[in-house]
Amino acid sequence: QQQVRQSPQSLTVWEGETAILNCSYEDSTFNYFPWYQQFPGEGPALLISISSVSDKKEDGRFTIFFNKREKKLSLHITDSQPGDSATYFCAASDYAQGLTFGLGTRVSVFP
Amino acid sequence: GGIITQTPKFLIGQEGQKLTLKCQQNFNHDTMYWYRQDSGKGLRLIYYSITENDLQKGDLSEGYDASREKKSSFSLTVTSAQKNEMAVFLCASRNWGQNTLYFGAGTRLSVL
Repeated sequence: QQQVRQSPQSLTVWEGETAILNCSYEDSTFNYFPWYQQFPGEGPALLISISSVSDKKEDGRFTIFFNKREKKLSLHITDSQPGDSATYFCAASDYAQGLTFGLGTRVSVFP
Repeated sequence: GGIITQTPKFLIGQEGQKLTLKCQQNFNHDTMYWYRQDSGKGLRLIYYSITENDLQKGDLSEGYDASREKKSSFSLTVTSAQKNEMAVFLCASRNWGQNTLYFGAGTRLSVL
Protein backbone atom coordinates (compact mmCIF):
# COMPACT_ATOMS: atom_id res chain seq x y z
CA GLN A 1 0.00 0.00 0.00
CA GLN A 2 1.45 3.29 -1.11
CA GLN A 3 1.76 5.55 1.94
CA VAL A 4 2.32 8.70 -0.11
CA ARG A 5 0.40 9.15 -3.35
CA GLN A 6 1.10 11.70 -6.06
CA SER A 7 -0.92 12.85 -9.02
CA PRO A 8 -0.74 13.35 -11.88
CA GLN A 9 2.01 10.98 -12.99
CA SER A 10 3.08 13.53 -15.60
CA LEU A 11 2.13 17.09 -16.36
CA THR A 12 2.79 19.39 -19.30
CA VAL A 13 2.40 23.15 -19.06
CA TRP A 14 3.37 26.11 -21.20
CA GLU A 15 5.93 28.63 -20.03
CA GLY A 16 4.28 31.17 -17.74
CA GLU A 17 1.45 28.86 -16.62
CA THR A 18 0.95 27.48 -13.12
CA ALA A 19 1.71 23.80 -12.60
CA ILE A 20 -0.19 22.11 -9.77
CA LEU A 21 1.12 18.85 -8.31
CA ASN A 22 -0.94 16.89 -5.82
CA CYS A 23 0.04 14.66 -2.93
CA SER A 24 -1.87 12.73 -0.26
CA TYR A 25 -0.72 10.53 2.60
CA GLU A 26 -2.07 7.81 4.86
CA ASP A 27 -0.18 7.98 8.13
CA SER A 28 -1.44 10.66 10.51
CA THR A 29 1.87 10.59 12.42
CA PHE A 30 3.66 12.20 9.46
CA ASN A 31 4.51 15.76 10.39
CA TYR A 32 7.11 16.92 7.88
CA PHE A 33 6.52 17.12 4.14
CA PRO A 34 9.36 18.03 1.79
CA TRP A 35 9.21 18.24 -1.97
CA TYR A 36 12.29 17.11 -3.85
CA GLN A 37 13.21 18.07 -7.40
CA GLN A 38 15.19 15.67 -9.56
CA PHE A 39 16.81 16.38 -12.92
CA PRO A 40 17.87 13.50 -15.20
CA GLY A 41 21.19 11.98 -14.15
CA GLU A 42 21.16 13.67 -10.75
CA GLY A 43 19.99 12.79 -7.27
CA PRO A 44 16.91 14.48 -5.80
CA ALA A 45 17.46 17.84 -4.12
CA LEU A 46 15.25 19.52 -1.53
CA LEU A 47 13.09 22.19 -3.15
CA ILE A 48 10.71 23.32 -0.39
CA SER A 49 9.19 21.78 2.72
CA ILE A 50 6.37 22.32 5.22
CA SER A 51 5.60 21.06 8.70
CA SER A 52 2.16 19.96 9.80
CA VAL A 53 1.65 23.07 11.94
CA SER A 54 1.49 25.29 8.84
CA ASP A 55 -1.01 25.40 6.01
CA LYS A 56 1.08 27.30 3.48
CA LYS A 57 4.74 27.73 2.66
CA GLU A 58 6.04 29.96 -0.09
CA ASP A 59 9.50 30.21 -1.62
CA GLY A 60 9.68 32.34 -4.72
CA ARG A 61 7.60 30.72 -7.43
CA PHE A 62 7.02 27.55 -5.40
CA THR A 63 4.18 27.27 -2.86
CA ILE A 64 2.98 24.35 -0.78
CA PHE A 65 -0.65 24.25 0.35
CA PHE A 66 -1.32 21.80 3.19
CA ASN A 67 -4.64 20.44 4.46
CA LYS A 68 -4.04 18.37 7.58
CA ARG A 69 -7.66 17.33 8.02
CA GLU A 70 -7.81 15.83 4.54
CA LYS A 71 -4.18 14.61 4.59
CA LYS A 72 -3.51 16.38 1.33
CA LEU A 73 -0.98 18.84 0.04
CA SER A 74 -0.13 20.43 -3.25
CA LEU A 75 2.83 22.14 -4.84
CA HIS A 76 2.11 25.13 -7.07
CA ILE A 77 4.76 26.31 -9.50
CA THR A 78 3.75 29.74 -10.75
CA ASP A 79 5.17 31.35 -13.90
CA SER A 80 6.61 27.96 -14.92
CA GLN A 81 9.96 28.06 -16.74
CA PRO A 82 11.54 25.46 -19.06
CA GLY A 83 14.24 25.03 -16.41
CA ASP A 84 11.55 23.73 -14.02
CA SER A 85 11.18 20.61 -16.19
CA ALA A 86 12.03 17.81 -13.78
CA THR A 87 10.50 15.07 -11.68
CA TYR A 88 9.03 16.23 -8.38
CA PHE A 89 8.73 13.92 -5.40
CA CYS A 90 6.45 14.51 -2.46
CA ALA A 91 7.74 12.89 0.72
CA ALA A 92 6.62 12.49 4.32
CA SER A 93 8.35 11.79 7.59
CA ASP A 94 7.79 11.42 11.30
CA TYR A 95 11.55 11.72 11.95
CA ALA A 96 11.78 8.09 13.08
CA GLN A 97 13.08 6.73 9.77
CA GLY A 98 14.05 7.95 6.37
CA LEU A 99 11.53 9.74 4.25
CA THR A 100 8.64 7.92 2.58
CA PHE A 101 8.45 9.06 -1.02
CA GLY A 102 5.64 9.20 -3.54
CA LEU A 103 6.17 7.90 -7.06
CA GLY A 104 6.83 11.34 -8.47
CA THR A 105 5.28 13.71 -10.99
CA ARG A 106 7.22 14.41 -14.17
CA VAL A 107 6.76 18.05 -15.19
CA SER A 108 7.51 19.32 -18.69
CA VAL A 109 7.42 23.04 -19.38
CA PHE A 110 7.33 24.05 -23.02
CA PRO A 111 8.42 27.51 -24.19
CA GLY B 1 28.62 22.81 2.27
CA GLY B 2 29.34 19.20 1.58
CA ILE B 3 29.02 16.52 -1.01
CA ILE B 4 27.99 12.90 -1.30
CA THR B 5 30.11 10.86 -3.68
CA GLN B 6 28.85 7.58 -5.03
CA THR B 7 31.06 5.10 -6.86
CA PRO B 8 30.91 3.75 -9.40
CA LYS B 9 28.59 5.99 -11.42
CA PHE B 10 27.68 3.09 -13.72
CA LEU B 11 27.85 -0.60 -12.84
CA ILE B 12 27.30 -3.48 -15.24
CA GLY B 13 27.09 -6.93 -13.71
CA GLN B 14 26.36 -10.51 -14.58
CA GLU B 15 23.46 -12.55 -13.26
CA GLY B 16 24.30 -14.05 -9.85
CA GLN B 17 27.24 -11.73 -9.30
CA LYS B 18 27.90 -10.01 -5.98
CA LEU B 19 28.19 -6.26 -6.54
CA THR B 20 29.27 -3.53 -4.14
CA LEU B 21 28.31 0.13 -4.30
CA LYS B 22 30.12 2.75 -2.24
CA CYS B 23 29.07 6.07 -0.77
CA GLN B 24 31.16 8.76 0.94
CA GLN B 25 29.90 11.98 2.56
CA ASN B 26 31.83 14.92 3.97
CA PHE B 27 28.89 16.63 5.70
CA ASN B 28 29.85 14.87 8.96
CA HIS B 29 26.26 13.56 9.08
CA ASP B 30 25.52 10.73 11.46
CA THR B 31 22.70 9.09 9.50
CA MET B 32 23.08 7.57 6.05
CA TYR B 33 20.60 5.87 3.73
CA TRP B 34 20.44 3.69 0.64
CA TYR B 35 17.41 4.04 -1.63
CA ARG B 36 16.57 2.18 -4.81
CA GLN B 37 14.89 4.11 -7.62
CA ASP B 38 13.04 2.21 -10.34
CA SER B 39 11.23 3.88 -13.18
CA GLY B 40 7.63 4.45 -12.12
CA LYS B 41 8.20 3.17 -8.59
CA GLY B 42 9.70 6.15 -6.84
CA LEU B 43 12.35 5.75 -4.15
CA ARG B 44 12.30 2.77 -1.81
CA LEU B 45 14.41 2.46 1.34
CA ILE B 46 16.85 -0.46 1.40
CA TYR B 47 18.99 0.17 4.49
CA TYR B 48 19.85 3.03 6.78
CA SER B 49 22.40 3.60 9.51
CA ILE B 50 22.02 5.99 12.44
CA THR B 51 25.68 5.87 13.43
CA GLU B 52 28.92 4.04 12.73
CA ASN B 53 28.45 0.24 12.86
CA ASP B 54 24.66 0.59 13.10
CA LEU B 55 22.40 -0.98 10.47
CA GLN B 56 18.62 -0.79 10.11
CA LYS B 57 16.59 -2.59 7.44
CA GLY B 58 14.22 -0.71 5.20
CA ASP B 59 11.28 -2.08 3.25
CA LEU B 60 13.48 -3.46 0.46
CA SER B 61 16.41 -5.04 2.33
CA GLU B 62 16.02 -8.60 1.02
CA GLY B 63 18.78 -9.38 -1.45
CA TYR B 64 21.07 -6.68 -0.07
CA ASP B 65 23.71 -6.28 2.63
CA ALA B 66 25.07 -3.01 3.95
CA SER B 67 28.11 -1.93 5.90
CA ARG B 68 28.86 1.28 7.83
CA GLU B 69 32.51 0.94 8.78
CA LYS B 70 33.01 4.60 9.56
CA LYS B 71 30.93 7.73 9.91
CA SER B 72 31.68 9.04 6.45
CA SER B 73 31.07 5.90 4.41
CA PHE B 74 28.21 3.51 3.78
CA SER B 75 28.45 0.54 1.40
CA LEU B 76 25.70 -1.50 -0.20
CA THR B 77 26.14 -5.01 -1.59
CA VAL B 78 23.79 -6.67 -4.04
CA THR B 79 24.20 -10.26 -2.90
CA SER B 80 23.11 -11.89 -6.18
CA ALA B 81 22.33 -9.67 -9.16
CA GLN B 82 19.11 -10.51 -10.98
CA LYS B 83 19.09 -10.86 -14.78
CA ASN B 84 17.80 -7.78 -16.65
CA GLU B 85 17.73 -5.78 -13.43
CA MET B 86 18.02 -2.06 -14.02
CA ALA B 87 17.82 0.53 -11.28
CA VAL B 88 19.45 3.59 -9.79
CA PHE B 89 20.79 3.32 -6.26
CA LEU B 90 20.82 6.58 -4.32
CA CYS B 91 22.81 7.26 -1.19
CA ALA B 92 21.65 10.01 1.16
CA SER B 93 22.62 11.48 4.51
CA ARG B 94 21.40 13.84 7.21
CA ASN B 95 21.95 14.50 10.89
CA TRP B 96 19.49 12.63 13.06
CA GLY B 97 16.71 15.02 14.08
CA GLN B 98 17.36 17.40 11.20
CA ASN B 99 14.98 17.52 8.30
CA THR B 100 16.94 17.89 5.13
CA LEU B 101 18.13 14.76 3.36
CA TYR B 102 21.03 15.22 0.94
CA PHE B 103 21.44 12.83 -1.98
CA GLY B 104 24.32 11.66 -4.12
CA ALA B 105 24.01 11.48 -7.89
CA GLY B 106 23.39 7.74 -7.88
CA THR B 107 24.87 4.51 -9.20
CA ARG B 108 23.14 3.13 -12.27
CA LEU B 109 23.05 -0.66 -12.28
CA SER B 110 22.44 -2.87 -15.30
CA VAL B 111 22.56 -6.66 -15.10
CA LEU B 112 23.15 -8.65 -18.27
